[in-house]
Amino acid sequence: DIQMTQSPSTLSASVGDRVTITCRASQSITSWLAWYQQKPGKAPKLLIYKASSLESGVPSRFSGSGSGTEFTLTISNLQPDDFATYYCQQYNNYWTFGQGTKVEIK
Amino acid sequence: QVQLQESGPGLVKPSETLSLTCTVSGGSISSGTYDWGWIRQPPGKGLEWIGTIFYGGRTYYNLSLESRVTISADTSKNQFSLKLSSVTAADTAVYYCARLSPHTSSWPPWGQGTRVTVSS
Repeated sequence: DIQMTQSPSTLSASVGDRVTITCRASQSITSWLAWYQQKPGKAPKLLIYKASSLESGVPSRFSGSGSGTEFTLTISNLQPDDFATYYCQQYNNYWTFGQGTKVEIK
Repeated sequence: QVQLQESGPGLVKPSETLSLTCTVSGGSISSGTYDWGWIRQPPGKGLEWIGTIFYGGRTYYNLSLESRVTISADTSKNQFSLKLSSVTAADTAVYYCARLSPHTSSWPPWGQGTRVTVSS
């Protein structure tokens, strides 16, 4: 099984900050990595696919990078709507998710 | 714009079978452009992929659940369904149906989710 490890588990930040979340895979997944945002009581929403491609309608302050085993999600100029939990998801021959990173107000 | 909506019982007894249906609107599940699947989230925990049904009806399940899971599709109703047998309290979760983009192996969009509790 490919394990996905996100860090940090919780991140405290202020509006306007630049924040970075890291996701590491236990083996190479090339670029088959997606990022989701989930707010309390809501379904996850796709932000980034194939490591760095921005899903249609997602603000450009969200960006993704990486390949192989290490990936990052960056939110530049953090907005009030961005306080949420973020999950990475890999596809190798099946789909697994990271444990999540909660971005909370500092 | 495609929308997905889960439906089914919110309470299931231990050892019984959990049955959920996902109704898709705004797009056809038999178009061949997308595949479909189920993902769950236990209370306060992360996301677990359950299984996928591909165009043509082939299915692929999480190995940890494979012996208990069946996903099927009813193209005449534009629905697909999940059955999970021999449930225990560990199966208590919010269950989401979602559309799979085969070219990116990502899941946009998701249904709103339905909470299922396993309890006697």
